[in-house]
Amino acid sequence: AQKVTQAQTEISVVEKEDVTLDCVYETRDTTYYLFWYKQPPSGELVFLIRRNSFDEQNEISGRYSWNFQKSTSSFNFTITASQVVDSAVYFCALSAPSNDYKLSFGAGTTVTVRA
Amino acid sequence: GAGVSQTPSNKVTEKGKYVELRCDPISGHTALYWYRQSLGQGPEFLIYFQGTGAADDSGLPNDRFFAVRPEGSVSTLKIQRTERGDSAVYLCASSLNPTGNNSPLHFGNGTRLTVT
Repeated sequence: AQKVTQAQTEISVVEKEDVTLDCVYETRDTTYYLFWYKQPPSGELVFLIRRNSFDEQNEISGRYSWNFQKSTSSFNFTITASQVVDSAVYFCALSAPSNDYKLSFGAGTTVTVRA
Repeated sequence: GAGVSQTPSNKVTEKGKYVELRCDPISGHTALYWYRQSLGQGPEFLIYFQGTGAADDSGLPNDRFFAVRPEGSVSTLKIQRTERGDSAVYLCASSLNPTGNNSPLHFGNGTRLTVT
């Protein structure tokens, strides 16, 4: 069985603050993929990043960065210098061969950035 | 280019009625997925198509739910005898191919179904 846990339900920050979203996953597979998606108020799920289980190198894309720690089964996401447009629900997801690569999503973290 | 298109964006229906939700995937994407998202939850898998056939329908909650993709492109999710518990946002996604290099899923805006 596979499971994704996002312990933070809601986070509220003031603009320009950094915000880190936690994601912990469970899977019995040794090969798997991790994802982050953003869901703004419009409702569309926007793909942000995909990492495979063999690549633990952290990644930075503009104000976004991701910290993959296989030892703790975590794939955390940090938004640096947050902006109002970052307000959205963020989902962490996992896919693995034992589940036919179907995406399993966490419950999501609602981020509110106040001006 | 055009993304995944879902129609209608909103659907209100009475309990017991039949509804159809449509999904137009990105052109050339062979894999198509339906997910359901209840309020405050992450999307949950319903069914996945590879081409015209349903490769995995293990997420369909019961036999009132059915989906087709007759020509390997547009898909329709059909719900019979709707119940209030079916109220949710139904999301469609497509990808270039479903396994192996694990292409990311591209989602549509969803159809918000409300059963009164």
